Amino acid sequence: EVQLVESGGGLVQPGGSLRLSCAASGFTFSSYWMSWVRQAPGKGLEWVANIKVDESENFYVDSVKGRFTISRDNAKNSLYLQVNSLRAEDTAVYYCVRGGSHGSFDIWGQGTMVTVSS
Amino acid sequence: EIVLTQSPGTLSLSPGERATLSCRASQSVSSSRLAWYQQKPGQAPRLLIYGASSRATGIPDRFSGSGSGTDFTLTISRLEPEDFAVYYCQQYRSSSYTFGQGTKLEIK
Repeated sequence: EVQLVESGGGLVQPGGSLRLSCAASGFTFSSYWMSWVRQAPGKGLEWVANIKVDESENFYVDSVKGRFTISRDNAKNSLYLQVNSLRAEDTAVYYCVRGGSHGSFDIWGQGTMVTVSS
Repeated sequence: EIVLTQSPGTLSLSPGERATLSCRASQSVSSSRLAWYQQKPGQAPRLLIYGASSRATGIPDRFSGSGSGTDFTLTISRLEPEDFAVYYCQQYRSSSYTFGQGTKLEIK
């Protein structure tokens, strides 16, 4: 079964950091671009970052540039998101997603919640 | 950044009816880079349509996508009870992705 399982979310104070992880299974992880997409409570979806199969390229939404870092370990079938200098507006469910055909996202994890609050 | 505007915000229909959801882009979108998703409460989104008109694996044929340029449509031919959910369109261009704000499809 193709699966993505996120972990690492939690409650953190403004200015704090977390490392989100995503464990992939059921497919050849090293063959796919991967992304993080987030959803604030009661709001819509926002793409956060993506990373090429070999880590040679990555891209970010402007609001997280310089604060978030996406990485991957193909040997461990894992995707990561280091989130630093967290703000209240970063509060959201963070989804690990697989890049699909034509720029779509074809497989989604169940999400991990990040809450930024004092 | 390409802004996607979905309409209506909420659509109230009955099972068996036809649903037509709209997604309008602020700039032209390559037809091959437009997707639609369904999200039910407490669940992750699910890919329905990619490339503007291709159904994802396992998606029933009552779901169809169409459009080009700046105007795209998701049509559900005959609504089933499980189709009532929030629907998002999404585009990809120049290493950036954006989503529409969503259309809530509710039971009338």
